[in-house]
Amino acid sequence: DTEVTQTPKHLVMGMTNKKSLKCEQHMGHRAMYWYKQKAKKPPELMFVYSYEKLSINESVPSRFSPECPNSSLLNLHLHALQPEDSALYLCASSPVRDRSYEQYFGPGTRLTVT
Amino acid sequence: AQSVTQLDSHVSVSEGTPVLLRCNYSSSYSPSLFWYVQHPNKGLQLLLKYTSAATLVKGINGFEAEFKKSETSFHLTKPSAHMSDAAEYFCVSSGGGTSYGKLTFGQGTILTVHP
Repeated sequence: DTEVTQTPKHLVMGMTNKKSLKCEQHMGHRAMYWYKQKAKKPPELMFVYSYEKLSINESVPSRFSPECPNSSLLNLHLHALQPEDSALYLCASSPVRDRSYEQYFGPGTRLTVT
Repeated sequence: AQSVTQLDSHVSVSEGTPVLLRCNYSSSYSPSLFWYVQHPNKGLQLLLKYTSAATLVKGINGFEAEFKKSETSFHLTKPSAHMSDAAEYFCVSSGGGTSYGKLTFGQGTILTVHP
């Protein structure tokens, strides 16, 4: 099984809502990543978890809050978002956090903030 | 610091003709390089990777890429384009040092395939 799953596929939320994005992998990978992708741009790294510990936060606003409850699951909690946060949010995983390993990407969650 | 430059933002080919997507990289050490493909509103799928083994790398769906250190290039080719190849392609390098595991993306090349 080389699949990364993400739920929901689509999410529409108001600026006062709280919602969560979920990512799951069962490949035994110990590094997991959140990316944000705006239209016609490459993905931008947001967070990296390595062995369930946050190892990189790319200066992401606190309205985005990541969580890694176990080695298979990665969440992104959203609160008080702005319309400019509308984007495709991609999750990825790799065996470990090392440059020689490729990252496996999920299909993404299309987020619209109204 | 590392960087990746995709030399063409758009490439248009006819079905059955060769595909060439160009990528140059800049790195202070021997990089790991990848090509990913993204179809509209989908995630990224790995086409192939180079990690300092063979310089000619074969990937999925008939794609291949050649690592040329002297030219700092990692161009993606396919002998014969198919309609299903129409997508956006990203050339990506993977960081070392304190940035290990961080991906540096090129700006992407949109491939259009005409019947």
